Amino acid sequence: GAVVSQHPSRVICKSGTSVKIECRSLDFQATTMFWYRQFPKQSLMLMATSNEGSKATYEQGVEKDKFLINHASLTLSTLTVTSAHPEDSSFYICSAVGPMNTEAFFGQGTRLTVV
Amino acid sequence: GNSVTQMEGPVTLSEEAFLTINCTYTATGYPSLFWYVQYPGEGLQLLLKATKADDKGSNKGFEATYRKETTSFHLEKGSVQVSDSAVYFCALSEGGSEKLVFGKGTKLTVNP
Repeated sequence: GAVVSQHPSRVICKSGTSVKIECRSLDFQATTMFWYRQFPKQSLMLMATSNEGSKATYEQGVEKDKFLINHASLTLSTLTVTSAHPEDSSFYICSAVGPMNTEAFFGQGTRLTVV
Repeated sequence: GNSVTQMEGPVTLSEEAFLTINCTYTATGYPSLFWYVQYPGEGLQLLLKATKADDKGSNKGFEATYRKETTSFHLEKGSVQVSDSAVYFCALSEGGSEKLVFGKGTKLTVNP
């Protein structure tokens, strides 16, 4: 199947700093990518839909100024957590819609810890 | 809104035991239903799916049947292996979108 690579897998940052997470489709072009967040023992919650060349669509309750999404190319979407706080500590996962538009392929996820 | 409820884990089984992980859903329309699996250190992978009522998805010995009357999509396997140890997520999508609504996940551990 298609491969989606997410980087970094783990990151620890200080409160108030910004962190960028990358999501790359390695062997296909993805016009649409999704960003999810998972709290401990909770479901993966959709944060936003990232469309190449246009602004991301955020789910209700997600602060777009805090979680900046850039989908500048057909193989790369980035999520930047700005001015991170300890409550932003979570597991973030991206997915990319495959070339046949019938399946979403997931990255390995990023464990963010804000101290 | 749409939601997915799956059985709480963790689930621990011996090799060759029978597995059932329950999943029920709430949706306004006619969703597609999925089971994803996440092996340690890896991303989520699609395990199986069903797109309409009474469809049965199957893969790697796992099966799940889309039951509209009970709004369920329970995952089953007749004989689990140690290599099946992973976290399993039930999910749905509507309207042909790949935007997914997930259950909380169920961690399965299979012991030799």
